[in-house]
Amino acid sequence: DIVMTQSPDSLAVSLGERATINCKSSQSLLSSSNNRNYLAWYQHRPGQPPKLLIRWASARESGVPDRVSGSGSGTDFTLTISSLQAEDVAVYYCQQYYSAPCTFGQGTKLEIK
Amino acid sequence: EVQLVESGGGLVQPGGSLRLSCAASGFTFSEYWLTWVRQAPGKGLEWLATINQDGTFAKYVDSVRGRFTISRDSATNSGSLQMNSLRAEDTAVYYCARSEWPESSWGQGTLVTVSS
Repeated sequence: DIVMTQSPDSLAVSLGERATINCKSSQSLLSSSNNRNYLAWYQHRPGQPPKLLIRWASARESGVPDRVSGSGSGTDFTLTISSLQAEDVAVYYCQQYYSAPCTFGQGTKLEIK
Repeated sequence: EVQLVESGGGLVQPGGSLRLSCAASGFTFSEYWLTWVRQAPGKGLEWLATINQDGTFAKYVDSVRGRFTISRDSATNSGSLQMNSLRAEDTAVYYCARSEWPESSWGQGTLVTVSS
């Protein structure tokens, strides 16, 4: 199984500042057949189901604000929130869907400083 | 509007069984894979199992393979997760999700508690 490791486990950022979450996979998520990275990012607020933010490492879902962005390739990926808003407080997970089981990272808790 | 509604959670004794259901609406059910994911108290998300569009192929994580069975019914636009030989560590909120590889829409979840 592919192991996903996020860093840090928790992060406190001031409103309006940048938040950066890293995700590393134990093997490459880049497909040679379509040159796509099979990596997704989710936001999980308390009492709500997870929400898909980004697929293919950098493709934002409809309705996700453009201050949220994903980058990276191969085994190293980053989720960036460029200007933190109060509604961004949540736990963020990366997930690989390169091969089943489609494992998640352990999560990063994002809070307001 | 895409909707997924889980049901069937509750309290069960260790070694017991439970069947979770997932009612889907607002999309063409037969066009998507269906996946189950859980979150134990204080823990992260754990991907459990997925099933393809016509129910002919399924994949499981090691921790539930042989104990859990995923299925779906195109006639009722629903999915199920049959859980046998339940253990205390299976206590969690269980989510069903529409999967486009990745999981694009999720239900609200149903709580399963395994305790004597």
